[in-house]
Amino acid sequence: KAGVTQTPRYLIKTRGQQVTLSCSPISGHRSVSWYQQTPGQGLQFLFEYFSETQRNKGNFPGRFSGRQFSNSRSEMNVSTLELGDSALYLCASSLEAPSSYNEQFFGPGTRLTVL
Amino acid sequence: TQLLEQSPQFLSIQEGENLTVYCNSSSVFSSLQWYRQEPGEGPVLLVTVVTGGEVKKLKRLTFQFGDARKDSSLHITAAQPGDTGLYLCAGERDSSYKLIFGSGTRLLVRP
Repeated sequence: KAGVTQTPRYLIKTRGQQVTLSCSPISGHRSVSWYQQTPGQGLQFLFEYFSETQRNKGNFPGRFSGRQFSNSRSEMNVSTLELGDSALYLCASSLEAPSSYNEQFFGPGTRLTVL
Repeated sequence: TQLLEQSPQFLSIQEGENLTVYCNSSSVFSSLQWYRQEPGEGPVLLVTVVTGGEVKKLKRLTFQFGDARKDSSLHITAAQPGDTGLYLCAGERDSSYKLIFGSGTRLLVRP
């Protein structure tokens, strides 16, 4: 069974640009969560999608957005990039909502560098 | 301010030593999870604890959930170089559809 895949693995952008990251969950998983990981702030929750609906959102500005398609694949978009957006962006999938009863499986992440 | 504080932040020990990592909060969580993350990979779930006072063992790793469900600890006996990695605790608050992660403990086990 294939794991969570994220593309691209590495990305370099300049300030002001926008970026789209993609995540393919494990087959059969309907919940996809996105996290931002930085050395200073650690792993922070961005948003969670289930059946194409955003069910929860973290404390990030509106420049961060996402969507989920009918096949459960998800994309996240960051507009007007800032230097502080440089981070590892992780996607995780689970059968239902991520909880103690539904294990969350993480992808390898997309390393975004903003110059 | 992190809702879940982990200590220590960094730990460098010799192979064979024992260690304990702590995950503390002033908030109550319905469950706590521990993950290990290696370079270039996403976190991998090690264990989930859901009951206050619960203790779970995974080979040389022992996990405990505090009685009040506000804290947790991870104890590793006779650490091996393969235990090297970033250890993260993550808490779930009732039906919130999200996990809150701790600040992480970076462990290096020297051969």
